[in-house]
Amino acid sequence: AQTVTQSQPEMSVQEAETVTLSCTYDTSENNYYLFWYKQPPSRQMILVIRQEAYKQQNATENRFSVNFQKAAKSFSLKISDSQLGDTAMYFCASSTYSGNTPLVFGKGTRLSVIA
Amino acid sequence: NAGVMQNPRHLVRRRGQEARLRCSPMKGHSHVYWYRQLPEEGLKFMVYLQKENIIDESGMPKERFSAEFPKEGPSILRIQQVVRGDSAAYFCASSPGMAGIQYFGPGTRLLVL
Repeated sequence: AQTVTQSQPEMSVQEAETVTLSCTYDTSENNYYLFWYKQPPSRQMILVIRQEAYKQQNATENRFSVNFQKAAKSFSLKISDSQLGDTAMYFCASSTYSGNTPLVFGKGTRLSVIA
Repeated sequence: NAGVMQNPRHLVRRRGQEARLRCSPMKGHSHVYWYRQLPEEGLKFMVYLQKENIIDESGMPKERFSAEFPKEGPSILRIQQVVRGDSAAYFCASSPGMAGIQYFGPGTRLLVL
């Protein structure tokens, strides 16, 4: 079974600064997917970034990048040039690689961007 | 390019009533997942369906909850004889069949009085 742990319930960052959200996971699979989802006050779940475990290169999407450390089972999200619109809950999630499988979510980190 | 649609967005029920939540997946998606989010919690998997088949219901409570995804029409999550503990946000996600990405609907907020 997969588990996902987010150890930071809340974080804050000044506008335009950089912030890193932590995530660790456990899995017996060799290949799997990792995700960061954003949930703003509207409660819509928005995919931020996806990483395939067999790829060594860290995924990047504009201001969002990950630091994927497979041996350490760590998958942190870095947000650069933070904007007020980045204020949201951020959930780390994993799924197995074999076919369509459910996502396993962490409990989330509430990020506040301060003007 | 309509996204995943869920209705109703908000649903209020009294204890003992039935709740029906609907999910229309994105066009071309034949895989549907239901998740439940309790207040201040992450999403928890409930059930995974393909057209006319339940693939994995390991996260579904054994009683009162059922799900279907008929050949025609939306996927339905049905909760019979609701209790206050059923109050939560219920999210549906769909997938095109390629491993990995799931696209989420806006959720249905169920409040049981």
